[in-house]
Amino acid sequence: QKEVEQNSGPLSVPEGAIASLNCTYSDRVSQSFFWYRQYSGKSPELIMSIYSNGDKEDGRFTAQLNKASQYVSLLIRDSQPSDSATYLCAVNIGTVNSGYSTLTFGKGTMLLVSP
Amino acid sequence: DGGITQSPKYLFRKEGQNVTLSCEQNLNHDAMYWYRQDPGQGLRLIYYSQIVNDFQKGDIAEGYSVSREKKESFPLTVTSAQKNPTAFYLCASSQTGVSQPQHFGDGTRLSIL
Repeated sequence: QKEVEQNSGPLSVPEGAIASLNCTYSDRVSQSFFWYRQYSGKSPELIMSIYSNGDKEDGRFTAQLNKASQYVSLLIRDSQPSDSATYLCAVNIGTVNSGYSTLTFGKGTMLLVSP
Repeated sequence: DGGITQSPKYLFRKEGQNVTLSCEQNLNHDAMYWYRQDPGQGLRLIYYSQIVNDFQKGDIAEGYSVSREKKESFPLTVTSAQKNPTAFYLCASSQTGVSQPQHFGDGTRLSIL
C-alpha cells in the first residue's frame, strides 16, 4: 500500500511566525507533489505544486522537496490567523503501463495561528 | 467562470435507497475523480475516469457506481449496498498526466435519515 504520512497536529503558531508542515511518502517513483489547504467544512484548494528537488517559493509559501529522503514540506512565512486550516499533502501514484495517474492524500495537518 | 459544480450541497438517504450525486465541469479537463472524506480523515479515491466511456475503481469502490457518458459530467451513485454512506463527497478534475494537479468542486454532504 503506497502511503502518504502527515502529523495530524494541531500545529499551533503565533501570528507572524513561520509554520512548517511536513509530509513523507512511500512510493519512490512519485514525480509530482501538491499541497492543498482545506478550511473546515470546505473543499480542498490547491496552493502549491513541486516536481523537482529543492525549494519553490510562491508569496508567503515555500514548498521543499527531497526525493532521496522521500520528504516534502510546506513553509508558511508571516503566518496569519486566516491561514488556520488543515493542509493536505498529495503525491501522484502513477501506473506506468496504463498511463493513469492518481493522487494519494495524507490525512492532513491542522494549523492554528493565534493572533 | 470555469469550474466544477457539485449538486446538491446536502443530501439525505433513506435505508435501501440509491442516491446520485452530480458533478459537472467546464474546464475542458479529460480526467475526473470522486473522493470520500470522513471526519478527521484524508481523501479516499472511489472512482476515476480519464476518458469518456471509461472509468477505473479506486480504493473504496464497493457500494458505488459511476458513468462517464460526456466529458463534462461524472455522476456518482451511492447504492444501498454502501452500508456507511455518511461522508463528505468531493469531485475533482484535471488534465491528464502525472504533473497535473486536481481541482475540486465544493462537495456534497450525504447523511442517513
